[in-house]
Order: sequence, then structure tokens, then C-alpha cells
Amino acid sequence: QKEVEQNSGPLSVPEGAIASLNCTYSDRGSQSFFWYRQYSGKSPELIMSIYSNGDKEDGRFTAQLNKASQYVSLLIRDSQPSDSATYLCAVRLAGGTSYGKLTFGQGTILTVHP
Amino acid sequence: EPEVTQTPSHQVTQMGQEVILRCVPISNHLYFYWYRQILGQKVEFLVSFYNNEISEKSEIFDDQFSVERPDGSNFTLKIRSTKLEDSAMYFCASSLGTGGYEQYFGPGTRLTVT
Repeated sequence: QKEVEQNSGPLSVPEGAIASLNCTYSDRGSQSFFWYRQYSGKSPELIMSIYSNGDKEDGRFTAQLNKASQYVSLLIRDSQPSDSATYLCAVRLAGGTSYGKLTFGQGTILTVHP
Repeated sequence: EPEVTQTPSHQVTQMGQEVILRCVPISNHLYFYWYRQILGQKVEFLVSFYNNEISEKSEIFDDQFSVERPDGSNFTLKIRSTKLEDSAMYFCASSLGTGGYEQYFGPGTRLTVT
């Protein structure tokens, strides 16, 4: 059973539109959730973190978390061609035997076309 | 802005050879990690390191792998006898703590085993 799932895409949106990226996770003990952006051939770049149910906004980005549904999403408003990248969802379990290990999804490829 | 650095950016080695990948984490961070990403696949956790010892490792991190913090700044990953399947991008990451602390990734080392 996969631990973190994302639609691989590609997701194509026009410039200026809202891009919606989704992620589900299997472990109910997960406590910390992160979105990373990865350009081709580059390393993951942290965009947002979210720990509590609800929405968290940072500029054009909004992360949404629903622990009951084991679902986390990322909305990108006013999408730009420079947002074209692979978006990685990463999940971390709570304390106990976990020392920070992040479990990543496969990533969703986003293409923003002019 | 402080960042994680890694050297070399690209390492080519022959099967059976030993390689050492080097990382300089962000200076005030206490937790260090190695991840790898095989081309076209998801980012996978290898090991976490805190207080000069391994705190968690994955099943990938077998006896062929070792980590070390030889001085106050460097963090290394050694692969004793490389295999073809070790070819991947290797990312070092660091964080202030575990819990909800965010992990910041270095640019990666592309390891090619021939």
C-alpha cells in the first residue's frame, strides 16, 4: 500500500488560473505536511508546511489540510509559467520512533501555459 | 540566506568502487538527512543523524552505506562498494529539530555507477 499518493499529472493550467494539487496519505499518525517544488534536475525546494487542519496562506500559495480525510492540498493562485515544475507532497509521522523521516509522494507535474 | 551545500555535483564511479558524498548542512541545524532519487522515481529517505549517531534508517541503508560527521561542519555519506542500482541523485537535508521543523535540501550529487 502506497503511503503518500499524488496524481502524477501532468496538470496543465493557463497562466493566471488557479492550480490545485492534491495528496492523500495512509498513516493517521502523520502530523507534519510539506509541499516542495522540484524543477527538472534540481533538488526539492520547500514551499509550505502545514500542521493543523484548515488553510494556511503564503502569498499565492494556500495549503489545506484535512486530517480526518487524510488529505492535503496546495492551491496556486495566479499561476505563472515559472510555476511549471513537479510538486512533491511530503509527510512526517509524529514523534515516537520517527526522527524526522519524510515520506514523499510521486509528485504532480504542473505545466502553466501562456 | 543559509543553505545546504553538497559536493561534488556529479560523481562517476565504476561498479565496486567506494564513493564519499559530502554535505555541509545549515550551520545551526542539528538534524541531518540523506535522501536519494532514482531518475523518474520519488524521493526516498535513507538515514537521519543526530548527536553524532544514526537516529533512523530505511531498508535501503544497508551495510554498504555509512554516514559520518567528521568535523563540526561536514556530513558525509559513504557507499563502500557501489552497484549499478546506486545510480541516483543523492540529496542531503538538514533541520533545526524534528517535529514540525522544516527540512531544507541541498542541490544534490548525481552519482553515476558504470
